[in-house]
Amino acid sequence: DQQVKQNSPSLSVQEGRISILNCDYTNSMFDYFLWYKKYPAEGPTFLISISSIKDKNEDGRFTVFLNKSAKHLSLHIVPSQPGDSAVYFCAASVHNQGGKLIFGQGTELSVKP
Amino acid sequence: DAGVIQSPRHEVTEMGQEVTLRCKPISGHDYLFWYRQTMMRGLELLIYFNNNVPIDDSGMPEDRFSAKMPNASFSTLKIQPSEPRDSAVYFCASSLKLFRGTGELFFGEGSRLTVL
Repeated sequence: DQQVKQNSPSLSVQEGRISILNCDYTNSMFDYFLWYKKYPAEGPTFLISISSIKDKNEDGRFTVFLNKSAKHLSLHIVPSQPGDSAVYFCAASVHNQGGKLIFGQGTELSVKP
Repeated sequence: DAGVIQSPRHEVTEMGQEVTLRCKPISGHDYLFWYRQTMMRGLELLIYFNNNVPIDDSGMPEDRFSAKMPNASFSTLKIQPSEPRDSAVYFCASSLKLFRGTGELFFGEGSRLTVL
């Protein structure tokens, strides 16, 4: 039972354009959402997060949007750079479940020069 | 400050053998997590500890898997006996506290396990 789903295993984008990575979830109790970035042979690193009381959070080139009614969140990267090429994981948590993170399958982003 | 340290980085073993993965969390972090990464399921939480005590092991696949944290600076994940379907990358992560607003787990570089 996959509570957090990333249905696109891969995405290819031209440098300078927008990258949009999508994530869907099924558990309406999730109240905090995060994106992690992972380079090959490295562990995931935290990128950006959003609380369920917000619908948008921006940090530089990265913006996360949350649509609670659709149980959907997305990560926008503008402009995309070759160094952004990595696997991006969406994650969610419920505070009364001890804060443990439930991750999606990941989307591999390739930004071509 | 050193990050989360995992060993071995790579392990190749034969079915039926015992496998032990090791983790040293960041000093001062109260929480330690073991995750497994597969293509199909992404990052799955196996078990996590708070102050060396297992809190939630509901993600441990079966009795062949066990995890211990004998002290604040060391944890092990053991698979006995190992099976080919256990092949995956196993990550250890630690955090200062269960996040509320910071969202940061610090991950190690992972242990890639191949069971033949």
